Amino acid sequence: GAGVSQSPRYKVAKRGQDVALRCDPISGHVSLFWYQQALGQGPEFLTYFQNEAQLDKSGLPSDRFFAERPEGSVSTLKIQRTQQEDSAVYLCASSLDSRGYYYGYTFGSGTRLTVV
Amino acid sequence: GDSVTQMEGPVTLSEEAFLTINCTYTATGYPSLFWYVQYPGEGLQLLLKATKADDKGSNKGFEATYRKETTSFHLEKGSVQVSDSAVYFCALPPTGNQFYFGTGTSLTVIP
Repeated sequence: GAGVSQSPRYKVAKRGQDVALRCDPISGHVSLFWYQQALGQGPEFLTYFQNEAQLDKSGLPSDRFFAERPEGSVSTLKIQRTQQEDSAVYLCASSLDSRGYYYGYTFGSGTRLTVV
Repeated sequence: GDSVTQMEGPVTLSEEAFLTINCTYTATGYPSLFWYVQYPGEGLQLLLKATKADDKGSNKGFEATYRKETTSFHLEKGSVQVSDSAVYFCALPPTGNQFYFGTGTSLTVIP
């Protein structure tokens, strides 16, 4: 597609509920990244895929967070047993080059997750 | 480790005023440097970049020059418009796998 598409745009979850956030990157972009953005802060790294391989998950805050990209295109970020501290905007980005070093990222509009 | 330090906001300017948002970085080597912009309710968009020392990135009237000697990449615009109201992030690409983003500077331009 023309840009990075994320869905849903907004998600309200009750504490303890599982959620799944979807990212559809730009076609042909090999690198895909998930970031978490708290209110008034810059994005914080969660995880990185190159094609279908998850090469770095060091930013995932707990084992309740899980990401996958099984066919090297669409990615899903899953959060189990959501907690209030998970409330944030979850941003997906893709890049033409490995790690986005040269071309930078193209970001989606994000999913705003509110845990109540 | 690598990091970026960005000017604190918020910044409020009148239309047609001159804008500077300061950014300094700490990095191993000489990475590319980026400015991203986030309009209300949207994701981040790449605004401009510079790939080596003394390069000037420019887009939409914004400019930033990669200064190796001062490790800076300040964002400037000569005459801001109301439509420039947004949050601006300075960013450093990875030595590992993650970009380092500044905390963001919120700009509000009033007519």
